[in-house]
Amino acid sequence: DGGITQSPKYLFRKEGQNVTLSCEQNLNHDAMYWYRQDPGQGLRLIYYSQIVNDFQKGDIAEGYSVSREKKESFPLTVTSAQKNPTAFYLCASSMGLERSGEQFFGPGTRLTVL
Amino acid sequence: AQSVTQLGSHVSVSEGALVLLRCNYSSSVPPYLFWYVQYPNQGLQLLLKYTTGATLVKGINGFEAEFKKSETSFHLTKPSAHMSDAAEYFCAVPSGGYQKVTFGTGTKLQVIP
Repeated sequence: DGGITQSPKYLFRKEGQNVTLSCEQNLNHDAMYWYRQDPGQGLRLIYYSQIVNDFQKGDIAEGYSVSREKKESFPLTVTSAQKNPTAFYLCASSMGLERSGEQFFGPGTRLTVL
Repeated sequence: AQSVTQLGSHVSVSEGALVLLRCNYSSSVPPYLFWYVQYPNQGLQLLLKYTTGATLVKGINGFEAEFKKSETSFHLTKPSAHMSDAAEYFCAVPSGGYQKVTFGTGTKLQVIP
């Protein structure tokens, strides 16, 4: 089955540690996205990438970093500079060239910083 | 820039009652509009997609949405709520030259037995 996988489902880290969230897709989609979700705030875009080796900052990129070395992979690193990293993180992908913008989502990773 | 507004962060209905979740888009007519559903601790799943020219769009799980240009609205409805419909629903519109999607703030639907 084609889809998007995110691992792990739950992640616990100590304050001050960097942590990397995995996102892999086998849909052959060009574009990939990272969102942060907090209660009552909807989805906020962190970073997105339309093509391999290129990515753009979203609305809340500070304290996060990404890479796009392969079409199917778009890992997100939450750095120690992110002041409030505890949240639910969602990865998504879209065809990119298809102009509707419809996005497909992974199951999410819930990060808790202790 | 395109945006959407969802009225009501929480909606409660009785099982079997009509579900109506509201979404209004910004003034220019978008070529696409989406409704997504999110069950607790899961990712988002596409419910339905509006494309230019359609008025009534049918989606999964018995949901449908009517595009009304005169009201700049794309409200989501379901004739009879089921307990399994309890979830959060997001309206969304392409933005940034179709490179991104802007989501509404979401509406949590509670279904009362």
